[in-house]
Amino acid sequence: EAQVTQNPRYLITVTGKKLTVTCSQNMNHEYMSWYRQDPGLGLRQIYYSMNVEVTDKGDVPEGYKVSRKEKRNFPLILESPSPNQTSLYFCASSQGARTGELFFGEGSRLTVL
Amino acid sequence: ILNVEQSPQSLHVQEGDSTNFTCSFPSSNFYALHWYRWETAKSPEALFVMTLNGDEKKKGRISATLNTKEGYSYLYIKGSQPEDSATYLCAFKAGTALIFGKGTTLSVSS
Repeated sequence: EAQVTQNPRYLITVTGKKLTVTCSQNMNHEYMSWYRQDPGLGLRQIYYSMNVEVTDKGDVPEGYKVSRKEKRNFPLILESPSPNQTSLYFCASSQGARTGELFFGEGSRLTVL
Repeated sequence: ILNVEQSPQSLHVQEGDSTNFTCSFPSSNFYALHWYRWETAKSPEALFVMTLNGDEKKKGRISATLNTKEGYSYLYIKGSQPEDSATYLCAFKAGTALIFGKGTTLSVSS
């Protein structure tokens, strides 16, 4: 089954404790992206990757890091989480960066205390 | 700053009603316009990706049109059903960025 898998789905953590949200897709997609969803703000792009070893900042990259060492994986790293990073996070992938539809993971709800 | 506006923010219709939403986006540097349906407690799913001015797409009772010159797209739902209740997102592709609107939340009562 074609899918984008995120882990963990739910996490409560404390300020400053490094965490990683993993994302893996099994569709051989070149393009992958991370979004955060906050009430009243819509989906905002954090980082995206056009292909292996190619990453770039989206609209709200501060406080996040990513890596793309393999085509299927695109982890989101919060080196020192803060309460303003409490959010619902989605990973997504698509075949083409320009016109391909996005396939979303199930979301990761992160709470930073 | 690229901005994608969706209207209305929310609406409530009765089963069987037809309805439509609007997505407004910048008319320059256009690559594609996406529509997604996002049901509560699930992740967004693609409905349409449109790339050409004048494009019309249809999937069952849902259809969409695109006007890139004036920067708008309409999503139509014919004969709304309770299972159509969801938030409908549009997203504008400019270069490598995909900019999402805040969505239109549809509630259909039986």
